[in-house]
Parts: sequence; structure tokens; C-alpha cells
Amino acid sequence: DAGVIQSPRHEVTEMGQEVTLRCKPISGHDYLFWYRQTMMRGLELLIYFNNNVPIDDSGMPEDRFSAKMPNASFSTLKIQPSEPRDSAVYFCASSSIRDRGSYEQYFGPGTRLTVT
Amino acid sequence: AQSVTQPGIHITVSEGASLELRCNYSYGATPYLFWYVQSPGQGLQLLLKYFSGDTLVQGIKGFEAEFKRSQSSFNLRKPSVHWSDAAEYFCAVGGQNNDMRFGAGTRLTVKP
Repeated sequence: DAGVIQSPRHEVTEMGQEVTLRCKPISGHDYLFWYRQTMMRGLELLIYFNNNVPIDDSGMPEDRFSAKMPNASFSTLKIQPSEPRDSAVYFCASSSIRDRGSYEQYFGPGTRLTVT
Repeated sequence: AQSVTQPGIHITVSEGASLELRCNYSYGATPYLFWYVQSPGQGLQLLLKYFSGDTLVQGIKGFEAEFKRSQSSFNLRKPSVHWSDAAEYFCAVGGQNNDMRFGAGTRLTVKP
């Protein structure tokens, strides 16, 4: 398996622009997680899905952030409008209880977002 | 609510020296515990995990961790550190609902 795939790997945009981050989980995994990592706040869980349904979005910072999972193999995290304080590395991870009964999360390489 | 504390933000050890990274957790039920490693510019990779059974768990790259329920700890150890171990290490706690909380991370520097 190719692992969790994220695109783009790097994104530079201007304040006020819409940004869309994409994630393809490992095939067969039924949980998908979005995290944000910054120096100040560390690794934060933003939202997670189970079987394409959002379960907990309490970590989403504000209404400018939205996430969707239209099918089992694709998810997006959108920021509209973007602000400089959104600059961070955004990770997607997936997991499956059927994977050896493990809750291990497999992480993608991340998207480094810079908002100028 | 679950939480994880990693007391050491930045640790420096000499190559060949032993290593112990501390992790304390708070969780209302039986926890699932994990250690992940993140190399610069990379995602997180699982080192080891504890779900049940033997409280001393072995992981990849020569790492091990010991679950101590009485101390709410899950410290990571390695007997002899290699220069390639320089990275950031995250302890995490999760439960059966599959949500996971990460500690703030410990950045390890290895001196030649």
C-alpha cells in the first residue's frame, strides 16, 4: 500500500485566499483524522471521521475551517478565507480497528501551509 | 478528558548513551498508549504501542517502553542512542473510541 497520501506537500497563498488540502487514506481504513502542527501549539486534532461521517469536530478552530469526506478514499480540509495564523503543517492520518485490532494511526507526510 | 504530559521539551544525549523519555498520561479508563517519532520534514511513525498484557513493550529501532499504571507513566527507553535517533518524539493516549491525544513532544539531539 502507498500509505496515506496528502497533496499538495507545500502550499503558499496570500491572506484571504481559499486553501484546500487533500488526503487519501489507506485503502480499507475506516477512520480518518486531520491534525495541525505548529511550534506554539504542538499537534492538535482538528476533526475525525468514521465511515465518512464526522464524529468530533471540536478541534476545528473556527468557521473558516471545514472538512468533508465524500467517500472512503478522499477527504478535504478547506480554509476560507485563510489568515497568516493558519500557517502550519497539516497532517492526515487513517486507522482501522480491523487492522490487527489496533488503533494505530498511520500518518501522511503532511502539507506545509504558508499564508502571507 | 484524556491528556498527555511530556516533561522534557528538548533533550541532548551523547551518541552511545542511554535514553529515557518521560510520558505521563491522564485517562479515565484503560488507556491505549503509543510512542511516535517524527524526523524533520516527515510525518509521524509509530515506534511502539501498548494495549494490554506485558507492560514492557518492544518497538522498532531498538526502543522499548514500560507501562506503569500506578504512576500513570509510559516512558520510552533505548540502551544506546545512535545519531540517527535525533528526531522529535511524541507520546499519545487513546481509547476505544479511537480518538487520540498527543503530548507536546520531546526533541532529541544526539551529540557525536
